[in-house]
Amino acid sequence: DTVLTQSPALAVSPGERVSISCRASEGVNSYMHWYQQKPGQQPKLLIYKASNLASGVPARFSGSGSGTDFTLTIDPVEADDTATYFCQQSWNDPYTFGAGTKLELK
Amino acid sequence: EIQLQESGPGLVKPSQSLSLTCSVTGYTITSGYDWSWIRKFPGNKMEWMGYISYSGSTNYNPSLKSRISITRDTSKNQFFLQLNSVTTEDTATYYCARSRTIAAYFDYWGQGVMVTVSS
Repeated sequence: DTVLTQSPALAVSPGERVSISCRASEGVNSYMHWYQQKPGQQPKLLIYKASNLASGVPARFSGSGSGTDFTLTIDPVEADDTATYFCQQSWNDPYTFGAGTKLELK
Repeated sequence: EIQLQESGPGLVKPSQSLSLTCSVTGYTITSGYDWSWIRKFPGNKMEWMGYISYSGSTNYNPSLKSRISITRDTSKNQFFLQLNSVTTEDTATYYCARSRTIAAYFDYWGQGVMVTVSS
């Protein structure tokens, strides 16, 4: 299976820019997607196919990358962005998820 | 508005079968897309379990292939998960979700149902 590696946690101040990385153990083309999950809620799609903003998602969120290295950027970070962010690939079967990066605000 | 809602028992005994239902409103599951089950374990790890497509074909995670079945009732616009021979390691929050057949990102999710496997 394709293993997706994410940093466990990040802490940033409101107004700053934050980049969350996801590295795949093998190439996934551009088929990397990003989700936000808050406690007690279901995951919410933010970015699909590496760089496409999902409907209704603020333009503060952006995605980049291809192949094995991908980044989710939030600029500027707001207090409401406190959450866990997951990457997911769908190029290789089975679909797999990263372990999540917990974003905390200082 | 498209909505997905999981339902089923919150407690299952080891060696028994886990059965969940996903009820879909706002979209007909035979019109398009794939309809998946995904679970999140304590500690955050997430696992895609499998899907049933709009045409009725299925695709399962090989790690579960011998234990999983996903079926549907098109008259009720529902799809189902059955996981056999459960152990405590199947304790998780189970989500149903919709994904594009191409690109396979999950754009609509249910709220999730917590299932505990315990005697």
